[in-house]
Amino acid sequence: DAKTTQPPSMDCAEGRAANLPCNHSTISGNEYVYWYRQIHSQGPQYIIHGLKNNETNEMASLIITEDRKSSTLILPHATLRDTAVYYCIVRVAQAAGNKLTFGGGTRVLVKP
Amino acid sequence: ETGVTQSPTHLIKTRGQQVTLRCSSQSGHNTVSWYQQALGQGPQFIFQYYREEENGRGNFPPRFSGLQFPNYSSELNVNALELDDSALYLCASSLALGNTEAFFGQGTRLTVV
Repeated sequence: DAKTTQPPSMDCAEGRAANLPCNHSTISGNEYVYWYRQIHSQGPQYIIHGLKNNETNEMASLIITEDRKSSTLILPHATLRDTAVYYCIVRVAQAAGNKLTFGGGTRVLVKP
Repeated sequence: ETGVTQSPTHLIKTRGQQVTLRCSSQSGHNTVSWYQQALGQGPQFIFQYYREEENGRGNFPPRFSGLQFPNYSSELNVNALELDDSALYLCASSLALGNTEAFFGQGTRLTVV
């Protein structure tokens, strides 16, 4: 799986959009970009994933650059409950299994 | 509510002892993975089970072993516990077909003294 690089931490104001960057310059053509988050004392939670098109769901939007070497997770209206560590993961789609290679992630603090 | 449940939630063991952690996967999920998360770090993949067979393993010694049962629940066994085994152990389940997300349990906090 390709390596990802994320800033270690960032702050965000409550009610504003949070834009979380991720670099994955060695991504292969068959690798997807996944985002998970981990709220303190809980297991990681799936947010969104994509291959090359931008994706949106009820939690967030994922913007992948045309060359696929980087992506941005957007939380459109951050709340205090969005305070968590956010992990960007790149992995190959496979017929069986869900091995995820977590890096250090970005610690996001949403402030009132 | 993810539907993945782990037991126990907390556990204290003595160095050299053995421990068994349990995981019930989400209904309909036949793939279970286990992760170890040391304090302040991201989860590290231990191994995964698909239809009762080990299907992929991370960089963990053989004293970390597992089982998956016909109902797809799973166990993680760790023998000869070391102080560095103190961590949060996470179980995740997913559908085995294609590109699906993993659903994690709340984890078991293991402390080795």
